[in-house]
Amino acid sequence: GENVEQHPSTLSVQEGDSAVIKCTYSDSASNYFPWYKQELGKGPQLIIDIRSNVGEKKDQRIAVTLNKTAKHFSLHITETQPEDSAVYFCAATPYSSASKIIFGSGTRLSIRP
Amino acid sequence: GAGVSQSPSNKVTEKGKDVELRCDPISGHTALYWYRQRLGQGLEFLIYFQGNSAPDKSGLPSDRFSAERTGESVSTLTIQRTQQEDSAVYLCASSYTAGVGGELFFGEGSRLTVL
Repeated sequence: GENVEQHPSTLSVQEGDSAVIKCTYSDSASNYFPWYKQELGKGPQLIIDIRSNVGEKKDQRIAVTLNKTAKHFSLHITETQPEDSAVYFCAATPYSSASKIIFGSGTRLSIRP
Repeated sequence: GAGVSQSPSNKVTEKGKDVELRCDPISGHTALYWYRQRLGQGLEFLIYFQGNSAPDKSGLPSDRFSAERTGESVSTLTIQRTQQEDSAVYLCASSYTAGVGGELFFGEGSRLTVL
């Protein structure tokens, strides 16, 4: 089955700097890769996603890149702000099974003022 | 309601007791998921419901865990004879589409503490 590894587990950056979180997946059949943000005491919320037919997607300060050959994808946050502090999860979904959305272990991002 | 609703938000129980957790999905959402999140860890898939199809129970950790959903409405997750290792936040999510690429809308979770 699919296995998703996420790094780093914790990340601290100065406000205004960029943050990068990386994930790798094992199942070459996976074709949908969402990123979720979880604020303290709340459920995760989708912030951006990418499909396997696209190499990069951007939404304001957030971008995601996908390298299908290497089976890895990354989240990039530019000009970080205090409200970006949260836990971020990557995920991968095999085309064959919509039920199997496999999440990474999460990255706790802290923005230093 | 506007979002996924879970109850109770917090539950403290004694080892060996049974607990029932409830999830009210967003109206019209055909897919419903249960995940377990242990302290400081990722989301562990438990079970998936899609309409009236047979659920995918492959993530349930033991036969002490079971879940039900009637049609596209409320779901209940039941844990029998609770153990301390069951302590976690149990998250429910619903999705409008059953296919790959559907956004999951999560509730705020039910925090279970087994003493």
